[in-house]
Amino acid sequence: DQQVKQNSPSLSVQEGRISILNCDYTNSMFDYFLWYKKYPAEGPTFLISISSIKDKNEDGRFTVFLNKSAKHLSLHIVPSQPGDSAVYFCATRTQTGANNLFFGTGTRLTVIP
Amino acid sequence: NAGVTQTPKFRILKIGQSMTLQCTQDMNHNYMYWYRQDPGMGLKLIYYSVGAGITDKGEVPNGYNVSRSTTEDFPLRLELAAPSQTSVYFCASSKVLETQYFGPGTRLLVL
Repeated sequence: DQQVKQNSPSLSVQEGRISILNCDYTNSMFDYFLWYKKYPAEGPTFLISISSIKDKNEDGRFTVFLNKSAKHLSLHIVPSQPGDSAVYFCATRTQTGANNLFFGTGTRLTVIP
Repeated sequence: NAGVTQTPKFRILKIGQSMTLQCTQDMNHNYMYWYRQDPGMGLKLIYYSVGAGITDKGEVPNGYNVSRSTTEDFPLRLELAAPSQTSVYFCASSKVLETQYFGPGTRLLVL
């Protein structure tokens, strides 16, 4: 039973435009949300996170938005660069878990030069 | 500063064989984790440890065992390999309730 869903397996965007990656979750106990980026043959690397007490967090070109009522979060990348081409995973955890993360299935982003 | 290292990078096992996947971190993190990633799927937690001598099951622990005798090392043991264990295995570590740092992964093929 997939508690975290990324319904778009892939996304292609022109360089310089905005990339929007989406993630939905089912468990209202999740209170902290993260985005990881993964290149082939490497482990995931942390990108940005947001606590459930916020609805937006920004770090340079990356912004994460959280809509708790819709159980939805999104990652915006502006402007997109070819080096952003990777698989992006959203992940989340509950307050009671020992920092155990639940991952989505990933979205492969391709930024076209 | 190596971070999280995993060995081997790739291994082929026959059904019924056993092996140990090694994981070491040099960041003095208390928490360590083992995940598996099947094709087209997200990472799923196998086992985790909150400190030396303490381990607990995650979402998909069947067929695996772990031990944590030191802060740095967290090996994952497969006793009787099955084709369903063909996957990419990632080890991660973190401080308490902080960002998890992942190793590069071990690709395992069971034939």
